[in-house]
Amino acid sequence: DAKTTQPPSMDCAEGRAANLPCNHSTISGNEYVYWYRQIHSQGPQYIIHGLKNNETNEMASLIITEDRKSSTLILPHATLRDTAVYYCIVRPSNFGNEKLTFGTGTRLTIIP
Amino acid sequence: DAGVTQSPTHLIKTRGQQVTLRCSPKSGHDTVSWYQQALGQGPQFIFQYYEEEERQRGNFPDRFSGHQFPNYSSELNVNALLLGDSALYLCASSPADRFTYEQYFGPGTRLTVT
Repeated sequence: DAKTTQPPSMDCAEGRAANLPCNHSTISGNEYVYWYRQIHSQGPQYIIHGLKNNETNEMASLIITEDRKSSTLILPHATLRDTAVYYCIVRPSNFGNEKLTFGTGTRLTIIP
Repeated sequence: DAGVTQSPTHLIKTRGQQVTLRCSPKSGHDTVSWYQQALGQGPQFIFQYYEEEERQRGNFPDRFSGHQFPNYSSELNVNALLLGDSALYLCASSPADRFTYEQYFGPGTRLTVT
């Protein structure tokens, strides 16, 4: 599985957009980019995933560069409840290979 | 609709003992994965069960074993516990729809080995 690189920590002011970068320069053509977050003492929560097009849902937007070697997760209006560890994960799309390989993630702190 | 549930919430065991952790997947899900999360680290994949069989396995010793029941619930068993097995054990389930690939995580079981 491709490896991902994320900054260990970031701060963002409440109400502003939080932009979390992820580098996945060794990503293969059949691998998706997934984002999960883990709020303290809870299980990880799925946020969004994409293959090569930008994606948006009610939680966030995912911007993937044209060469697919990096991506950015955008939380458009960060709130205090968005304080969490955010994991960027690359995973093959084939059925039967569904394990998630977590790194150490980015600890995002929302500042009031 | 209940999400993924795990029991017990917390557990304290002694070195050398055996432990069984339980997981009930989200309604409509048929695949269950187990992860171990040491303090300050990201979750590490242990194994995955589908149709009552182990389908994928991470880099964990044979002391870690599992089972999936016909109702899709699952157990994780750890034998001969070591101090290093102290961690948060997470269960995740996947929906039967193969086009979503989202995994839904439970709150975890905190295991302390003394």
